[in-house]
Amino acid sequence: QSALTQPRSVSGSPGQSVTISCTGTSSNVGGYDYVSWYQQHPGKAPKLVIYDVTRRPSGVPDRFSGSKSGNTASLTISGLQAEDEADYYCCSYGGSYWVFGGGTELTVL
Amino acid sequence: EVQLVESGGRLVRPGGSLRLSCAASGFTFSSYWMHWVRQAPGKGLVWVSRINPDGGSTTYADSVKGRFIISRDNAKKTLSLQMNSLRAEDTAVYYCLPLGVTIFGVGHWGQGTLVTVSS
Repeated sequence: QSALTQPRSVSGSPGQSVTISCTGTSSNVGGYDYVSWYQQHPGKAPKLVIYDVTRRPSGVPDRFSGSKSGNTASLTISGLQAEDEADYYCCSYGGSYWVFGGGTELTVL
Repeated sequence: EVQLVESGGRLVRPGGSLRLSCAASGFTFSSYWMHWVRQAPGKGLVWVSRINPDGGSTTYADSVKGRFIISRDNAKKTLSLQMNSLRAEDTAVYYCLPLGVTIFGVGHWGQGTLVTVSS
């Protein structure tokens, strides 16, 4: 049940695109299409932005997209906006458990 | 409107016990796997436990296995977490939610309840 690996921080300018990676193993990320991503602003509860690797909940802008290749999942945010500045966490099903990544701080320059 | 309202968090001494509750409303509670997720102050999200829709199957993170017990009452639409042998490292905000799925197309989290383990 080791945590998934995410970069500690990423940054981008308004209008640019950023990608956050999430690396696991063949027992979790690589083995199931149950990767989700959560956005968390300071002092707030997390918010689901991607589930089942690529699916976007209602109300989440289509600037947010998810993908997976092998044991690594990715969240891409295009057309960066100031309000995208937040912490982002990936999460994967692992057969008998679920596991989160350590989180990535996104800074909009 | 889907609502998840956690309660029961408070200051407790190391070695003590605490029971958290989560009141669910606005959706068919008995149809969903439910989870507890925690977040220590200034730290990341950590999965704690899950229970299947009828309550017959449970799974725990290694860090809480043998100390925590998850349960549910579908008639009362309530999820519970019995926490025993509490340690300082269990200090966190605890959230209940249907992890990784949407209800009516949207993800849902409660506001969480803070558990502080300290002498």
